[in-house]
Amino acid sequence: GAVVSQHPSWVICKSGTSVKIECRSLDFQATTMFWYRQFPKQSLMLMATSNEGSKATYEQGVEKDKFLINHASLTLSTLTVTSAHPEDSSFYICSASGSSRHEQYFGPGTRLTVT
Amino acid sequence: SQQGEEDPQALSIQEGENATMNCSYKTSINNLQWYRQNSGRGLVHLILIRSNEREKHSGRLRVTLDTSKKSSSLLITASRAADTASYFCATEETSGSRLTFGEGTQLTVNP
Repeated sequence: GAVVSQHPSWVICKSGTSVKIECRSLDFQATTMFWYRQFPKQSLMLMATSNEGSKATYEQGVEKDKFLINHASLTLSTLTVTSAHPEDSSFYICSASGSSRHEQYFGPGTRLTVT
Repeated sequence: SQQGEEDPQALSIQEGENATMNCSYKTSINNLQWYRQNSGRGLVHLILIRSNEREKHSGRLRVTLDTSKKSSSLLITASRAADTASYFCATEETSGSRLTFGEGTQLTVNP
């Protein structure tokens, strides 16, 4: 089956710094990638949708200047949390879909802790 | 915004029993999907049921979909301790490919 990886799997950073999270589709071309955020014991909330080579579409309430998304190739999307604050601490999960747009393949997630 | 509501929020059963989780949604959908998530891990896709399907089976899983009631159920038969996880439904709306997740059901299967 299709495999999506994320790096790093966990990261601790200081308040005010920026953190980049990578999402890679390992064995298929991901025309669309999605970024989700999940707080403890809660569901996944879609943050943004990105198509290769174009600007990401952000969900209402998600600051595009704070959460920078780049989808430069068909196998890589990055999420940069800029000027991170403790309230940005969360589990960030990406997913990718290819030619079969009905199924998204999820990465293992990245645990971000901002101190 | 989340449109999926799941019940129960938490379910605790004994090994060997069946577990049923329900999901309701509000908009028109292309399909409904069920995912499993172990604590602190990513999501595992379990099953997808299209809007023109009413029931689907995969191993010990049985999913039903009632588009008139905008609801779905996931049945896990002969549960095992390893089935302990959170289960989420997610709908793909007719307006696009984005998924909207339900609140999830935390299933605990006691050995």
